[in-house]
Amino acid sequence: EVQLVESGGGLVQPGGSLRLSCAASGFTLSNYWMTWVRQAPGKGLEWVANIKQDGSEKYYVDSVKGRFTISRDNAKNSLYLQINSLRAEDTAVYYCTSQYCSSTSCYTDAFDMWGQGTMVTVSS
Amino acid sequence: DIQMTQSPSSLSASVGDRVTISCRASQSISSSLHWYQQKPGKAPKLLIYAASSLQSGVPSRFSGSGSGTDFTLTISSLQPEDFAIYYCQQSYSTPTFGPGTKVDIK
Repeated sequence: EVQLVESGGGLVQPGGSLRLSCAASGFTLSNYWMTWVRQAPGKGLEWVANIKQDGSEKYYVDSVKGRFTISRDNAKNSLYLQINSLRAEDTAVYYCTSQYCSSTSCYTDAFDMWGQGTMVTVSS
Repeated sequence: DIQMTQSPSSLSASVGDRVTISCRASQSISSSLHWYQQKPGKAPKLLIYAASSLQSGVPSRFSGSGSGTDFTLTISSLQPEDFAIYYCQQSYSTPTFGPGTKVDIK
């Protein structure tokens, strides 16, 4: 079965850190651009960061630049998000997702496979 | 950043109804527009990519159209499993999502 499974979320105080992980099974993660998308409680979706297949390119939404770091370990078929200097507004479900590839083309920023999400709550 | 808007923000419809959801970009995004369906407590699901291409396995009652700044998602005959929130998303530049359209039962 093809799936992505996130872990590492939890309750953290403002200013704290967490490392989110996303383990892929049933497919080879190294073939895909990977992305983190988050969703605050009761709110819409927000693109957070993405990383190229070989890790050579990484991009972030402005609100997390300098605080979040996306990385991957293709040998472990895993994606990560290191989140530092957490703020209340970072409270959200964090999803990892892979790019969509049709039979003829791949779309870096169309999101096909999604994990179930991991909840990050920033509160004192 | 490119801003995405959707209308309506919510709608009530009956099984069998034709439903149309609009999405507008703050600048031209060509056909770099995708549609997702999200049900409560679940991850989003890709329905339409590149404005009008149906993702594999998605029922043919879903269709997408548009280019430039104005896009439409149409459900030709609403089914019970289609009650959900629908999001558009642009990939022309740093990805951004629309605020969502909630489709519920009339």
